[in-house]
Amino acid sequence: DAGITQSPRHKVTETGTPVTLRCHQTENHRYMYWYRQDPGHGLRLIHYSYGVKDTDKGEVSDGYSVSRSKTEDFLLTLESATSSQTSVYFCATRGIMNTEAFFGQGTRLTVV
Amino acid sequence: SQQGEEDPQALSIQEGENATMNCSYKTSINNLQWYRQNSGRGLVHLILIRSNEREKHSGRLRVTLDTSKKSSSLLITASRAADTASYFCATDEETSGSRLTFGEGTQLTVNP
Repeated sequence: DAGITQSPRHKVTETGTPVTLRCHQTENHRYMYWYRQDPGHGLRLIHYSYGVKDTDKGEVSDGYSVSRSKTEDFLLTLESATSSQTSVYFCATRGIMNTEAFFGQGTRLTVV
Repeated sequence: SQQGEEDPQALSIQEGENATMNCSYKTSINNLQWYRQNSGRGLVHLILIRSNEREKHSGRLRVTLDTSKKSSSLLITASRAADTASYFCATDEETSGSRLTFGEGTQLTVNP
């Protein structure tokens, strides 16, 4: 299995607070992705990175920011959490474009 | 809206039967991939088919791709209870570089 670790695995936070989720990989993969998974919507792409300091928006990027200061870490920040951001967040990586992606175990975030 | 849409949303069959899931997408692609997700876990890659391929096999899996109809199907033959999971298609769009987008998924239940 690819070495992808998401932290925290579970988090409950209050509306309006900032939250940062971390994805750490040991595979030296160039590409990293953040998705959210909600019932009836499958996985939706939030942001992705194609190299250190190189990121781009996905389908549902409003309210989220990302940073990638080194190859192994991709951070997802909710600047001011809202209840609509309650979801399960998955990180994925891949070494080469147009190949299979490897997923972390997910972070369950609840905004109350 | 999402790139991929899967049909049916849910499928329930008996062990030993075949299961067919379909995926439609909107834009030109480099490849289409299928992933499996067991409840509460991260996604696992099953198979990738490139845009210039029409059919691909891997064990009990058979994938077809029709780029003229922008659709793909995943066939699982001789299903087992252990095949119970959600199945997602994902596409690498031709013009989006490293972006990887997913459909809404099909929930497959295989009854013993």
